[in-house]
Amino acid sequence: DAEITQSPRHKITETGRQVTLACHQTWNHNNMFWYRQDLGHGLRLIHYSYGVQDTNKGEVSDGYSVSRSNTEDLPLTLESAASSQTSVYFCASSDSLGYGYTFGSGTRLTVV
Amino acid sequence: GQQVMQIPQYQHVQEGEDFTTYCNSSTTLSNIQWYKQRPGGHPVFLIQLVKSGEVKKQKRLTFQFGEAKKNSSLHITATQTTDVGTYFCARDQGSSNTGKLIFGQGTTLQVKP
Repeated sequence: DAEITQSPRHKITETGRQVTLACHQTWNHNNMFWYRQDLGHGLRLIHYSYGVQDTNKGEVSDGYSVSRSNTEDLPLTLESAASSQTSVYFCASSDSLGYGYTFGSGTRLTVV
Repeated sequence: GQQVMQIPQYQHVQEGEDFTTYCNSSTTLSNIQWYKQRPGGHPVFLIQLVKSGEVKKQKRLTFQFGEAKKNSSLHITATQTTDVGTYFCARDQGSSNTGKLIFGQGTTLQVKP
């Protein structure tokens, strides 16, 4: 069965370190997204991609970057982790029309 | 502008009572999607509404899209403890399908057995 997986599920890192969160999908979806979820803020879009070599900034992209070298993967990198980036991160994918996102199980990141 | 507002933010009901959450936009929506997130889980797609005045049902859940395509609602009849979670509406960022969703703040439903 097709799936979307995120790793790690939990991560604790120190302020200033570079961190990469993995997202891998086998749906063959063109569209992939990264959201962060914080209490009181719902789901906020960080970065997204419509296909290989395409990346775009979302509403809260500062301090984050992504790359899309193949259809299956969209890793999210925190260049220099800050305490404000402590959050739950969700990766999602969809077909080209955005019908019904499929979400990964999430990564809980704590920056100390 | 592109935000969708959801009300209420929280709702506590007794098991068996009905529940409704509303999603409102100041601009016309190309479509609206609904998701459910169980506590500790990830959002799961429930449905997409596209047509003005559209009503769709999934067992005890009824989804409506307003005539002006600026609002939507999710109604649950006779809530059960399995309905606990946060319900999000989401709109496409563009006036037509861009495939990029903007999520509402969500309505968190608690059900007392």
